[in-house]
Amino acid sequence: GENVEQHPSTLSVQEGDSAVIKCTYSDSASNYFPWYKQELGKRPQLIIDIRSNVGEKKDQRIAVTLNKTAKHFSLHITETQPEDSAVYFCAASPNAGGTSYGKLTFGQGTILTVHP
Amino acid sequence: DGGITQSPKYLFRKEGQNVTLSCEQNLNHDAMYWYRQDPGQGLRLIYYSQIVNDFQKGDIAEGYSVSREKKESFPLTVTSAQKNPTAFYLCASSSGHPTKRVYGYTFGSGTRLTVV
Repeated sequence: GENVEQHPSTLSVQEGDSAVIKCTYSDSASNYFPWYKQELGKRPQLIIDIRSNVGEKKDQRIAVTLNKTAKHFSLHITETQPEDSAVYFCAASPNAGGTSYGKLTFGQGTILTVHP
Repeated sequence: DGGITQSPKYLFRKEGQNVTLSCEQNLNHDAMYWYRQDPGQGLRLIYYSQIVNDFQKGDIAEGYSVSREKKESFPLTVTSAQKNPTAFYLCASSSGHPTKRVYGYTFGSGTRLTVV
């Protein structure tokens, strides 16, 4: 099955700096890669996702890049703010069809702390 | 509240007792999932269901059982066979369909289960 590794486990930055979180996956059949943000005591929320037919996607201060050859994808947050502090999870899902369809495998999470 | 409701928010289980966690969605999603969240381990898949009356084991199904009698509902029972049930349990749903594109999950607000 799919295995997703996420690094770093903790990340501390100053307000205004950039933050980068990296994930690798093992199953070449995976073609959907979402990122979730989970604030303390709350449910994970989808913040951005990318499919294997694109290499990069941006949404304001957040961007995700994908390298299918190397099987890794990254989350980039620019101009970080204290409210970006949360746990971030990457995930991967396989191709359409079969019983594994839509099943997300998550990374271990990154605790991001943005200091004012 | 996001279209997917979990109850109760907090649950206490005695040794040897079975307990059932509720998950209901009104998003008309085909697929539903149960994840367990432990500190430092990310989200691990317990069971998932892509269609009514069908479900599949995830990575850590031992000691758990589910049913999917209605599209809207996917209850999880934590049995006495689960030796370490204390965790945060998250239910999710998605509109993923075997012949359609995968979409990100919508999560419930979670149930925190504690063994007393």
